[in-house]
Amino acid sequence: DIQMTQSPSSLSASVGDRVTITCRASQSISSYLNWYQQKSGKAPKLLIYGASSLQSGVPSRFSGSGSGTDFTLTISSLQPEDFATYYCQQTYSPVGFGGGTKVEIK
Amino acid sequence: EVQLLESGGGLVQPGGSLRLSCAASGFTFSNYAMSWVRQAPGKGLEWVSSIGAGGDSTYYADSVKGRFTISRDSSKDTLYLQMNSLRAEDTAVYYCAKDYRSVPAAHQYNWFDPWGQGTLVTVSS
Repeated sequence: DIQMTQSPSSLSASVGDRVTITCRASQSISSYLNWYQQKSGKAPKLLIYGASSLQSGVPSRFSGSGSGTDFTLTISSLQPEDFATYYCQQTYSPVGFGGGTKVEIK
Repeated sequence: EVQLLESGGGLVQPGGSLRLSCAASGFTFSNYAMSWVRQAPGKGLEWVSSIGAGGDSTYYADSVKGRFTISRDSSKDTLYLQMNSLRAEDTAVYYCAKDYRSVPAAHQYNWFDPWGQGTLVTVSS
């Protein structure tokens, strides 16, 4: 099975900060990588699909990059509503999620 | 508006069974694959199972293979997850989600959007 490793597992940041979350696959997954945001007690919400495509309705401060084994989710200017847990997901074979990154208020 | 509404969760004893349902609306249910994802208390997301649009292709995580069965009824726009031989480690919130594709094949672009609100399954004596 493909292992997905996210780092860091948690981070503290301030409103307006630039935040970068990394997801590494144990083998190449091309660009079959998605990012989700989950707020406490809520269902996950799709942010980025195909490694770099922004889902409709998602603010442009969110962006994704990478291919192969290394991927990045960037929030260009952290907003109060962005404090949440973020998960990467590979759909190369068959489906798997990273362990999550919790973004907390500094 | 696409909506998914899970039901059927609850408290069940180890070794028991439970069937979850996910009622879909706002899209042509028979055109899309569907999936179940679970989240144990305080833990991350774990993919459980997926089913193709036609219901003839099914996929399972190793942790549930042989115990869980995914199915769908397009006449009712409803997805199901039959869970047998339940264990304490199956305790989780179970989410259903709509796939981007009609067949959840490997090595293809696919994603889950949207997700239902989840239903809690607790396995305990």
